[in-house]
Amino acid sequence: NAGVTQTPKFRVLKTGQSMTLLCAQDMNHEYMYWYRQDPGMGLRLIHYSVGEGTTAKGEVPDGYNVSRLKKQNFLLGLESAAPSQTSVYFCASSFRQALSSYEQYFGPGTRLTVT
Amino acid sequence: RKEVEQDPGPFNVPEGATVAFNCTYSNSASQSFFWYRQDCRKEPKLLMSVYSSGNEDGRFTAQLNRASQYISLLIRDSKLSDSATYLCVVPPNSGGYQKVTFGIGTKLQVIP
Repeated sequence: NAGVTQTPKFRVLKTGQSMTLLCAQDMNHEYMYWYRQDPGMGLRLIHYSVGEGTTAKGEVPDGYNVSRLKKQNFLLGLESAAPSQTSVYFCASSFRQALSSYEQYFGPGTRLTVT
Repeated sequence: RKEVEQDPGPFNVPEGATVAFNCTYSNSASQSFFWYRQDCRKEPKLLMSVYSSGNEDGRFTAQLNRASQYISLLIRDSKLSDSATYLCVVPPNSGGYQKVTFGIGTKLQVIP
């Protein structure tokens, strides 16, 4: 099993450009999450999904959109990138059952720089 | 009080030492806790789940102090490979299992 995979691993964007980050998991997890991690800030939840076709906002959703058309995939989109979105982005997934949702499996991350 | 608070460190300890760091939480009703380990420039990985008063796994012990509302992670006989950042997770006040709050993490450096 590959677990959770993310593409791309690195990306440099110019201000105003758009891009989509792809997350895929092969563990049949119901829940999926997108986080960003910045120095001194810890992990912050951007958006999450509790199942195919459903998404919800997390702590810092502005400037991002997501879609979950298939259970195994969770896409994060930046429509018009800004320097403030320079960060490391992690995708994660977990089972649905109660406390098991806190036992999350993370992808290797995408390092995004917006100039 | 923030939902989860951690001392960012770094904690610099010699190899073989015992080290402990704490994570304070605001939800007095919480009964389960989680520790993650994050190596430099890598993703977080689940280290321990604590569903009652504590948990032990080899050199690692997680303990809960309900009265003072903190959890601790104790590492005995520290190895160089233990150098990492340790993140704690406590379920939020509002329930909502989907919304996980991670602590900022405590950085541990084990020195030869």
